[in-house]
Amino acid sequence: NAGVTQTPKFRVLKTGQSMTLLCAQDMNHEYMYWYRQDPGMGLRLIHYSVGEGTTAKGEVPDGYNVSRLKKQNFLLGLESAAPSQTSVYFCASRADRRETQYFGPGTRLLVL
Amino acid sequence: TQLLEQSPQFLSIQEGENLTVYCNSSSVFSSLQWYRQEPGEGPVLLVTVVTGGEVKKLKRLTFQFGDARKDSSLHITAAQPGDTGLYLCAGNFGNEKLTFGTGTRLTIIP
Repeated sequence: NAGVTQTPKFRVLKTGQSMTLLCAQDMNHEYMYWYRQDPGMGLRLIHYSVGEGTTAKGEVPDGYNVSRLKKQNFLLGLESAAPSQTSVYFCASRADRRETQYFGPGTRLLVL
Repeated sequence: TQLLEQSPQFLSIQEGENLTVYCNSSSVFSSLQWYRQEPGEGPVLLVTVVTGGEVKKLKRLTFQFGDARKDSSLHITAAQPGDTGLYLCAGNFGNEKLTFGTGTRLTIIP
C-alpha cells in the first residue's frame, strides 16, 4: 500500500517553462489537495477536489491549474513558471472532510 | 480568510524539559488537528480534537482544545530528541478545507 505518492521529487525550471506535478493515491479517497509550503508561511492551499471530475480554488490558486480526470490522480500544472513559484509542493488526500488527511512526500521545485 | 497563529515560531530546549506550543484563531473551529513534520517528509497527523475543552494524550504529548474552540495547545513532557520537528496545527471551519498555522519548529538538544 503506497498511500500518497508524488512525482517528480525534485525539479529545476527556467522562468516561463511549464510542467505538471502528479499526485496519486491508492486509498480510494474522494478528497485531494495541493499545498505549497514556504519558510515561515506554513502550508497554503492551492487547489482541491472533492471527487473525480471536480476542482475548486484554494487560498493561492493564481498561476496554477489542476485536473482530476481519474479518482486516484490529481495533477497540478504550471503553465508559465515564475521564481515566486519556487516552493515545496505537497499533495494530500482523505476519505471525507472528517477523516485523516494523508500527505505525500513532497516535490521540491526551483524556478530560476 | 481564517488565520491560525502559532507560537512560538522557534523553540530550542534541553532534553528532559517540558514545553508548550500554542495555536490561536479569531474564528471558531469545528475541529482542530495537530501534525508533526520531519525534514524532507510530509506532515503526519498526531491528533484531532473536536469538542470544546477536550484533552487528549498521546504518550508524553497532551493536546487541549479551548472551551470556545478558538485555540489549542500542545504540551510535551520530558522532551526527547525524537520530538524534534515542525509542529503544525490545522483548523477545520466546517467545510472541505483545512487552514494550517505557520508552525513551531522544535529542536530538542541532547
